[in-house]
Amino acid sequence: KAGVTQTPRYLIKTRGQQVTLSCSPISGHRSVSWYQQTPGQGLQFLFEYFSETQRNKGNFPGRFSGRQFSNSRSEMNVSTLELGDSALYLCASSIDGAYEQYFGPGTRLTVT
Amino acid sequence: AQSVAQPEDQVNVAEGNPLTVKCTYSVSGNPYLFWYVQYPNRGLQFLLKYITGDNLVKGSYGFEAEFNKSQTSFHLKKPSALVSDSALYFCAVSAQTGANNLFFGTGTRLTVIP
Repeated sequence: KAGVTQTPRYLIKTRGQQVTLSCSPISGHRSVSWYQQTPGQGLQFLFEYFSETQRNKGNFPGRFSGRQFSNSRSEMNVSTLELGDSALYLCASSIDGAYEQYFGPGTRLTVT
Repeated sequence: AQSVAQPEDQVNVAEGNPLTVKCTYSVSGNPYLFWYVQYPNRGLQFLLKYITGDNLVKGSYGFEAEFNKSQTSFHLKKPSALVSDSALYFCAVSAQTGANNLFFGTGTRLTVIP
């Protein structure tokens, strides 16, 4: 089975711009979660989608949003980028109820 | 609110020796506990989980963890360390049944010395 894929792997954006990151889960996995990893704050939960609905949300401003499509693929969007949004964004998928999540390699976003 | 503490930023151990990476947690209700490992420039890999049942959980690559409810701990262990075990280890907790909103510790960098 193919693992979780994330595109793009690297991204450089300018402050004030917006960005969209994509995640394709493992086939058969219906839950997709997003996490932000930074040296200062560590790994922080952004949100989780299941069956095209946001099921859980972390403590991030409304500039961070996401969605899930009928094929379980997910996108997250960050609007009005700030320097502090520079991070590794990780996507994880799971079979609902199985608890363990399988992570993709991440998208490294640099905001200049 | 849930939280996880990994008191050691760095753990060094000689190859062949047993290793322990410590984790304590705080959560209201029953905890769902996980260990993940991260290699350089890669995502996280699942090692093991505790949901319910036997307090000693066995996982991938020879790792195991012991759930201790009274001490609210979930330490990761391996009887004999390999150089290839050198990586960043994260403990995580969720307090919601079936929920995928994990709260992670700050991570412990394990270095196995040949």
